[in-house]
Amino acid sequence: AQSVAQPEDQVNVAEGNPLTVKCTYSVSGNPYLFWYVQYPNRGLQFLLKYITGDNLVKGSYGFEAEFNKSQTSFHLKKPSALVSDSALYFCAVPTGGGNKLTFGTGTQLKVEL
Amino acid sequence: NAGVTQTPKFRILKIGQSMTLQCTQDMNHNYMYWYRQDPGMGLKLIYYSVGAGITDKGEVPNGYNVSRSTTEDFPLRLELAAPSQTSVYFCASSYVRGANEKLFFGSGTQLSVL
Repeated sequence: AQSVAQPEDQVNVAEGNPLTVKCTYSVSGNPYLFWYVQYPNRGLQFLLKYITGDNLVKGSYGFEAEFNKSQTSFHLKKPSALVSDSALYFCAVPTGGGNKLTFGTGTQLKVEL
Repeated sequence: NAGVTQTPKFRILKIGQSMTLQCTQDMNHNYMYWYRQDPGMGLKLIYYSVGAGITDKGEVPNGYNVSRSTTEDFPLRLELAAPSQTSVYFCASSYVRGANEKLFFGSGTQLSVL
């Protein structure tokens, strides 16, 4: 079965420092992978997706994700964190023949001054 | 552009009561989804629909029902509310299937069953 795992419940980083939010996947065949962000009291918003091609995917708000097939990982990164990046981040993988998305448990990112 | 609209935003139910969570989208999307979000558990899919008149169960369908009579609307029905259904519910939609297209989410319905 297709699945993703987010090993960290929370990540703390100082503003201006690089940030990484981790995601590993278990997928048969070529993976499609997604990152979404949820700001407080809001629905999820799409950040980026990997389908095929370049291992570094660029997305919204300066985020990027690195696909690593040998480590089965799809980590979300940003070179310089902002306080406004503080939110809940989810990675996701299509399941059910591609008709639906299954989400990881989420990682709370806290960026402090 | 309204996008995906959910009503109500908040609701408190007594055990055994019923209610319908409304979801409508104005993007002419074929695919619609209902998720519930519990702390530390991520999002769990309740039901989804690939088009008007077609619905299918997700991971956690027990205690819920859905219908899809139009492309725009995808209401979620709770018949006999239980405390285990206390959660935040999100409706989402996409034009094509979830593997290829980003989902657009509503702002959620916070439901408490007491």
